[in-house]
Amino acid sequence: QKEVEQNSGPLSVPEGAIASLNCTYSDRVSQSFFWYRQYSGKSPELIMSIYSNGDKEDGRFTAQLNKASQYVSLLIRDSQPSDSATYLCAVWGNQGGKLIFGQGTELSVKP
Amino acid sequence: NAGVMQNPRHLVRRRGQEARLRCSPMKGHSHVYWYRQLPEEGLKFMVYLQKENIIDESGMPKERFSAEFPKEGPSILRIQQVVRGDSAAYFCASSPRAGAMNTEAFFGQGTRLTVV
Repeated sequence: QKEVEQNSGPLSVPEGAIASLNCTYSDRVSQSFFWYRQYSGKSPELIMSIYSNGDKEDGRFTAQLNKASQYVSLLIRDSQPSDSATYLCAVWGNQGGKLIFGQGTELSVKP
Repeated sequence: NAGVMQNPRHLVRRRGQEARLRCSPMKGHSHVYWYRQLPEEGLKFMVYLQKENIIDESGMPKERFSAEFPKEGPSILRIQQVVRGDSAAYFCASSPRAGAMNTEAFFGQGTRLTVV
């Protein structure tokens, strides 16, 4: 089992819709979770971090964490074509040594 | 406050040459992580360093690859005798602490290595 798993996509949504990106992780003691956005040919950019169960909202983005189910999600409301990118879920390793990434989900927002 | 700085942005090497990639962490960050990304693939962890120490090199190939983070100066990822399969984007990230709560890591712009 991979340490961090995401659906690779591509996920295609129409402009203005809600995009839902999902991630599961294997280490029950993980405490810190992140979503990075990576445009083609660019470096990963941190867009959300979440540490407690529940929802965390920042503008059009909402991160959701359920530690019991070992599940993290990212919702993007009112999706825009500029949101088209690969979204990477990341978790600190159980001994804090490294940031472990899922394989990323490619999102395409169609005008 | 400058972000994570990587140089060069693009590097072309002939097979058999050496490649040196540099990473200066954000101010106040003493933890550096190197990742490799092949075209159309995800980020693969290579090595985690603190000043003067390699903490985790479980993702580093056993041969030709080495990394350091000296007391002064940037972290260096060194690839000896490069082969075409080393062509990739190499990203460096830094953080102020190692994986504690409320600790975020930020990436540099990356170095795109092309081996011809």
